[in-house]
Amino acid sequence: EDQVTQSPEALRLQEGESSSLNCSYTVSGLRGLFWYRQDPGKGPEFLFTLYSAGEEKEKERLKATLTKKESFLHITAPKPEDSATYLCAVETGANSKLTFGKGITLSVRP
Amino acid sequence: GAVVSQHPSRVICKSGTSVKIECRSLDFQATTMFWYRQFPKQSLMLMATSNEGSKATYEQGVEKDKFLINHASLTLSTLTVTSAHPEDSSFYICSARAASGKLNEQFFGPGTRLTVL
Repeated sequence: EDQVTQSPEALRLQEGESSSLNCSYTVSGLRGLFWYRQDPGKGPEFLFTLYSAGEEKEKERLKATLTKKESFLHITAPKPEDSATYLCAVETGANSKLTFGKGITLSVRP
Repeated sequence: GAVVSQHPSRVICKSGTSVKIECRSLDFQATTMFWYRQFPKQSLMLMATSNEGSKATYEQGVEKDKFLINHASLTLSTLTVTSAHPEDSSFYICSARAASGKLNEQFFGPGTRLTVL
C-alpha cells in the first residue's frame, strides 16, 4: 500500500527563518510527486511536480527536491503570507491516483 | 488557466436529505475528475475517480449508492450525497485532469463544506 508521511505536523517560524518540510514516501511505481499549498477552507493550490530523483524546482521562496525515498520543500526567508498547510502527494498507477500525506501546517510570525 | 469551480461552496442540510455538488472545469476539458473528502486536520482522501461518459470507480470503503457521481460532459461532474447524515459532514473537494497537456496534472476546486444537522 502506498504511504506518504509528512513531518513535522506543524512548524512555527519567525519571518526570515529558513527551514525545510519533509515528505517521505513508500510506493510501488512512482509516477510523480506533487506539492500543494492549502489555505483554510480552500482547495489545494498546485506548487510543484517532481518526476525523478535529483530533480529540483523553484518558485519564489520555495524550492522542492526529490530523492528515491523523500522530498523536501525548502522555504527561504519565509514571510507571514507563506503561512498555510503544505500537502505532499504521490501519483501511482495507470489512473493517476494521488495519495496525500496529512500535511504540514506552517505558521510564520512577523 | 486551469480553473476548477465548485458549487455550492457551503451547504447546510437536514439529516436524510440529498445534496448535489457540482464541479466544473472552466477553461479546459477534463477527461477525468476526482472527488476527495477531507475531515478537519486530516489529509485529502480519494473517494472516486470519474471518467466522462463512463461509470465512476470508487475507492474501497466508499458506498457508491450513497455517493452518486455523474460525469456527463468534459467540463462537469456532480457528486450527490444521498440521505445525508451528520457523519457525512465534511469538506468535499474535486479535481480535474486535462484532456490534453501533462497527463498527471490535477487542478483542484475550492471545495464544498457540507454540514448535516
